[in-house]
Amino acid sequence: AQSVDQPDAHVTLSEGASLELRCSYSYSAAPYLFWYVQYPGQSLQFLLKYITGDTVVKGTKGFEAEFRKSNSSFNLKKSPAHWSDSAKYFCALEGKGTGSKLSFGKGAKLTVSP
Amino acid sequence: EAAVTQSPRSKVAVTGGKVTLSCHQTNNHDYMYWYRQDTGHGLRLIHYSYVADSTEKGDIPDGYKASRPSQENFSLILELASLSQTAVYFCASSRQGISNERLFFGHGTKLSVL
Repeated sequence: AQSVDQPDAHVTLSEGASLELRCSYSYSAAPYLFWYVQYPGQSLQFLLKYITGDTVVKGTKGFEAEFRKSNSSFNLKKSPAHWSDSAKYFCALEGKGTGSKLSFGKGAKLTVSP
Repeated sequence: EAAVTQSPRSKVAVTGGKVTLSCHQTNNHDYMYWYRQDTGHGLRLIHYSYVADSTEKGDIPDGYKASRPSQENFSLILELASLSQTAVYFCASSRQGISNERLFFGHGTKLSVL
């Protein structure tokens, strides 16, 4: 079985601060990991993915994420945060050999105050 | 930019009625997916398809049918709508399996079953 946990449902910070959204996963083998963002009133957009290789992956809009096998995490980071980063962020996992079955976390709603 | 169009954007249905949600993509993608989004649950995979005239069950297929009559079109069918199926439904597509390609999402269909 595979699962994704995003422990912080709501994150609030001030513009200019550093943001880190946590994601942990459970899967018996090496996973493929993704972050998607959903801006208010919009659909989900791809941010970045980890397939293999470098453990720090960079994505769009200045975001990056670090894959840590030791603690099964794939945290999303950005510094500094901007008010336009306010959105809901989803971490997702595809287990190798599971075909196209992507498992999403429950999401983290980020609010960045100006 | 890949385009995935869902219709309708919102719908109110009666319990026990039949509901059909439609999805159309113009990007020559092989894979298409239906997800539902509920508060507190993130996105969950209902059905998916990797070729016309064939569909696969996702994680929560009960109460739903899917139809892929062509590469461009993928429908989700609720034969007997129930209150528990009130949710936002997202269609997505990708060129290959997820490990190689990101998902492109439609804007979602908000379904309310009364």
